[in-house]
Amino acid sequence: DAEITQSPRHKITETGRQVTLACHQTWNHNNMFWYRQDLGHGLRLIHYSYGVQDTNKGEVSDGYSVSRSNTEDLPLTLESAASSQTSVYFCASRDEGDTQYFGPGTRLTVL
Amino acid sequence: DAKTTQPNSMESNEEEPVHLPCNHSTISGTDYIHWYRQLPSQGPEYVIHGLTSNVNNRMASLAIAEDRKSSTLILHRATLRDAAVYYCILRGVGNEKLTFGTGTRLTIIP
Repeated sequence: DAEITQSPRHKITETGRQVTLACHQTWNHNNMFWYRQDLGHGLRLIHYSYGVQDTNKGEVSDGYSVSRSNTEDLPLTLESAASSQTSVYFCASRDEGDTQYFGPGTRLTVL
Repeated sequence: DAKTTQPNSMESNEEEPVHLPCNHSTISGTDYIHWYRQLPSQGPEYVIHGLTSNVNNRMASLAIAEDRKSSTLILHRATLRDAAVYYCILRGVGNEKLTFGTGTRLTIIP
């Protein structure tokens, strides 16, 4: 079955380190998204992509970057991790019928 | 952005229907109404979406008011696995921001 996976599922890092969270989907969807979820804020959109070589900023993109070199993957990079980026991160892809499929999430702790 | 208002929490008995309300009085003509749910420690899961007409799928039904200022997600026969936070979200064409509010926490009573 097609699916969307994220790795790692849990990550602890230190302030100032670069961190990359992986997202891989096997549906061949063009549209992919990264969200973060924090208590009191719901899910907030970080970055999104409509296809290979396309990336766009969401509402909370500062301190994050993404790259899209193929259809299946959209890695999220924290250039210099900050404690404010401690959160649960969800990747999603969207089909042509406007349904988003979410991954299981990555819990990131920045010490 | 158009906002949605949902009750913070609801309870329902197992095997009974559940009606989850959502108010969206500032909805625009091109906004679709989406419902997602999130089970504990999981990513959100798509439930249903619609524009104007009522919609049915294997998971639920979506009843949309004639003026589109409110909608109701209907779970026809609740099970314990339906215990989750349910989010009502508006998304306009070209707007990538699926704004998840605080949602309704649904508790199913055995």
